[in-house]
Amino acid sequence: EAQVTQNPRYLITVTGKKLTVTCSQNMNHEYMSWYRQDPGLGLRQIYYSMNVEVTDKGDVPEGYKVSRKEKRNFPLILESPSPNQTSLYFCASTGATGELFFGEGSRLTVL
Amino acid sequence: QKEVEQDPGPLSVPEGAIVSLNCTYSNSAFQYFMWYRQYSRKGPELLMYTYSSGNKEDGRFTAQVDKSSKYISLFIRDSQPSDSATYLCAMSEGNDYKLSFGAGTTVTVRA
Repeated sequence: EAQVTQNPRYLITVTGKKLTVTCSQNMNHEYMSWYRQDPGLGLRQIYYSMNVEVTDKGDVPEGYKVSRKEKRNFPLILESPSPNQTSLYFCASTGATGELFFGEGSRLTVL
Repeated sequence: QKEVEQDPGPLSVPEGAIVSLNCTYSNSAFQYFMWYRQYSRKGPELLMYTYSSGNKEDGRFTAQVDKSSKYISLFIRDSQPSDSATYLCAMSEGNDYKLSFGAGTTVTVRA
């Protein structure tokens, strides 16, 4: 089954404690991206990757890092989380027609 | 001003009613228009995709694009309780895979 898998689905952490949200896709897509979803603001792109070792900033990259060492994996790293990064995060991979395939989301709370 | 504005809702309609969802945009370079559906605690999934002005039908769903007015709509006929979800419009220029999303409209169809 074609899917995008992200973990953890739910996480509560404290300010400053580094965390990583993993993302993996099994569709051999080259383009992957991370979004955050906040009420009233919709989905905003954090980072994207056009291929292995090629990443670039989206619209709201501050406080986040990513890496793309393998085609299937695209982890999101919060080096020093802050409360304003409390949000619902989605990883997505993009098919040849431009359709985004989303993971089920990771709800992060930073205290 | 946001690049994509979506009627915020929420909308509550009786079963069988027609649901009308709308988005306006400011970027005249947008060429591809999509509607995503997002069920509670799930990632968005592609519902409709179109790249030309006019109407596109898929079962009970009709997507309408008016590029001259920078306005897109989604109509759901004979709405069902299973249509209860958040609907997100999205659009792109087509020269890359970057999408701009509306904030989403939450629809509840009452049985």
